[in-house]
Parts: sequence; C-alpha cells; structure tokens
Amino acid sequence: DSGVTQTPKHLITATGQRVTLRCSPRSGDLSVYWYQQSLDQGLQFLIQYYNGEERAKGNILERFSAQQFPDLHSELNLSSLELGDSALYFCASSVGPGDNSPLHFGNGTRLTVT
Amino acid sequence: DQQVKQNSPSLSVQEGRISILNCDYTNSMFDYFLWYKKYPAEGPTFLISISSIKDKNEDGRFTVFLNKSAKHLSLHIVPSQPGDSAVYFCAARTALHSGGGADGLTFGKGTHLIIQP
Repeated sequence: DSGVTQTPKHLITATGQRVTLRCSPRSGDLSVYWYQQSLDQGLQFLIQYYNGEERAKGNILERFSAQQFPDLHSELNLSSLELGDSALYFCASSVGPGDNSPLHFGNGTRLTVT
Repeated sequence: DQQVKQNSPSLSVQEGRISILNCDYTNSMFDYFLWYKKYPAEGPTFLISISSIKDKNEDGRFTVFLNKSAKHLSLHIVPSQPGDSAVYFCAARTALHSGGGADGLTFGKGTHLIIQP
C-alpha cells in the first residue's frame, strides 16, 4: 500500500460530460502529481501541485484542470470528454520539490468514455 | 518526441536466470533515474533509483547501471523469480531548478517482463 488514495476506481461516462477524480496524498507529502496512461502508452505527466500551488504543467489539455486543497488532497477535473480521454489516471505524491525522493503512486482511476 | 525509450515491449526470461531491462534517454538534462514496477490493476511501485553521479546502484536482487556517455541505463534482476513478472517502467527527472521547473518524472512506455518456470 503506497498510502496514496484515489477515488473512484472506475468511471464510465458519455462524451461531452464532465468528471472529477480525487486523490489523497501520503501523510506528510506536500506535492501531488497527475499522470495519464493511455493504451500502449507510458505515463504522461499532466500537472503538479505543491502545497496548494501549481508548480509544473506537462501535457495537460485545456479541457482539463486540477487543484490542490488546504488539506492537500487534489482533484483533477476533466470536461467536454472525448472518446480519446479514456485512460488510466494516476495520482502520485512526494515530500516536495527539491528532494530526490521517489514518487508514490495510487492505484489509479480507470475512465471510460462511451 | 520520446525522451525516455524502452525499445523492448516484452521480455521472457526463465526463472532463476538474469533479467536485463534496457532504457535509453535523449535529454542530457536528466540527472536522476528510477525504475518502477507495475502489476495489473495497481499503480507503479518504486523499485530502485540512481543519481547521475553514480554508475551503479544495488539493492538486493536488483542492480541499476547507468552509462551517461551512451545515455543508457539498465536494470538487472538476479535471480529472476515468478513474482518479478510485471511491467517495468524506466523514468527520469531533470536537474532541479530554483523557482520552478518540472519535478515530474518522464516515463518510458514500459517493458513487460515474463518469468517462465
């Protein structure tokens, strides 16, 4: 158990809809990262938050947004969903920037857009 | 442009033998490398890492080798066990910059290791 909790585990929705994925980091971790894994692809970095502030952006679409709350949990919002958004979405956490501690991943949310 | 490449989608090794997983990278700013292991329906789990100032790091049955001049790293598993069957991801991080910069990891597409009895 990595200590990172993601909900829900599975999500099935229709094109054009909006969903919210939730992540609780490991106790003591201040950084949260979101990754997307599509079929036959590696994990694509989407966005990172540190202590409530956005720190880095990767290949995140404009239809996607995220935030980190004062209690350090994070939400990834996906809107105007398309079939191609079907993927596994992973959240990871670490102590914070400036250290080389590894990222610890949750078990992911599998999103299916029909 | 793939900055971290794992050119073997799958690898089959007999139980008890050595498993060697390879990874190549193109970004010379990478200075920290990690290997993750992933079972189906679970998130990636950290396995072992190496800083660019080293060329080898060992942890039990797992050893990671880094060849900076060739921009190549490899993971050796000796001896291979059935529980090692999983997808292995190579990942890299750029040197940390003050005031910003991505701390996220860049991942390869993974190699599916199958340990045969």
